[in-house]
Amino acid sequence: GAGVSQTPSNKVTEKGKYVELRCDPISGHTALYWYRQSLGQGPEFLIYFQGTGAADDSGLPNDRFFAVRPEGSVSTLKIQRTERGDSAVYLCASRAGAGNNEQFFGPGTRLTVL
Amino acid sequence: GNSVTQMEGPVTLSEEAFLTINCTYTATGYPSLFWYVQYPGEGLQLLLKATKADDKGSNKGFEATYRKETTSFHLEKGSVQVSDSAVYFCALRGDNAGNMLTFGGGTRLMVKP
Repeated sequence: GAGVSQTPSNKVTEKGKYVELRCDPISGHTALYWYRQSLGQGPEFLIYFQGTGAADDSGLPNDRFFAVRPEGSVSTLKIQRTERGDSAVYLCASRAGAGNNEQFFGPGTRLTVL
Repeated sequence: GNSVTQMEGPVTLSEEAFLTINCTYTATGYPSLFWYVQYPGEGLQLLLKATKADDKGSNKGFEATYRKETTSFHLEKGSVQVSDSAVYFCALRGDNAGNMLTFGGGTRLMVKP
């Protein structure tokens, strides 16, 4: 079956611009996570959705970052007034139901801010 | 808070050599521990996991044992292959409601024929 998909695969933007990154989770997965992976580092947690609501957004670095999941499926990560330090690979993962099921990761979106 | 520390790479080995990648963690409660692998051009994949102390996770010839007394989860393989070349991430999942993962910095493994 289809895995987690993310679009675009690459995004190049200029400092100060607004970007949206999309995640399509595995069908039926209620939990969705966003992580950020800077070059040469491990992924860092940003935000977690259970259904439509953001259950934990403690990893968002500042108020320029925002994410939504209005229908409990697709999620969009939104970054305002991008800065060069936002350049990273943004990973999305989804998980079935509650409890300790495995998180499945998408291929990521590579964001480059010039 | 939770944290994971793993040995820095790159680790370069010849085919059929023995592999160890060290991983230690800091966490409250009873975390679950994972190794993820990222092959060139691909996304993160779960390699193996252990959910409680003394459990051994294993997959594709790789093994790791959850050692609570030393807070470690070292990855081992007896005989590596060129196809094992990838970046390996140690991670933990705390016993909180969100089940989010905390990752180490990753270790790049290069296996030469």
